[in-house]
Amino acid sequence: GAGVSQSPRYKVAKRGQDVALRCDPISGHVSLFWYQQALGQGPEFLTYFQNEAQLDKSGLPSDRFFAERPEGSVSTLKIQRTQQEDSAVYLCASSLAVSGRAKQFFGPGTRLTVL
Amino acid sequence: SQQGEEDPQALSIQEGENATMNCSYKTSINNLQWYRQNSGRGLVHLILIRSNEREKHSGRLRVTLDTSKKSSSLLITASRAADTASYFCATDARWETSGSRLTFGEGTQLTVNP
Repeated sequence: GAGVSQSPRYKVAKRGQDVALRCDPISGHVSLFWYQQALGQGPEFLTYFQNEAQLDKSGLPSDRFFAERPEGSVSTLKIQRTQQEDSAVYLCASSLAVSGRAKQFFGPGTRLTVL
Repeated sequence: SQQGEEDPQALSIQEGENATMNCSYKTSINNLQWYRQNSGRGLVHLILIRSNEREKHSGRLRVTLDTSKKSSSLLITASRAADTASYFCATDARWETSGSRLTFGEGTQLTVNP
């Protein structure tokens, strides 16, 4: 029973580079969320998938951010032309159900530093 | 943007003492959850309280919810050094299309001194 895993754990990018962050949710979990956590702040919602469908991307800060979950399991968050303000920890969470009572399980996060 | 506010922002206590953290939020909710985050690690779910519940216990944790005041408190009794972490409240708002997107507060940094 592995939990949610994310890779890489740490990523350093030069400004302008593209990055891809991976999330492996718990097997069988229908819902998958991405959050962004700036230093000293709480996580902020980015986007939500129900299986392979991206139902909400209202939290993505710009069109440089793109997420996908093509087979309803693994998800990738891609950031194009990274900027310094993109530096943050990116957290992935999954849950078994779609209802408001489903507990979310978080991965360890990917710490992105843009130089 | 953050929905909730937590207070205090930082709390330092001695081992064995109780720690109380408060959270306020702005919109109607389905439930409210508390999470713990150790430095550099992911979030660990502690406890969930539904909007129709007023108090819930889990081990050394006690959570209260006052929907009329849109506030919640987390009490950790008989604290231990291992309880040192950041604690976040998160609300699950009454949206239909966003699964259970959570809105987090800014967190309380708890330090328990041995």
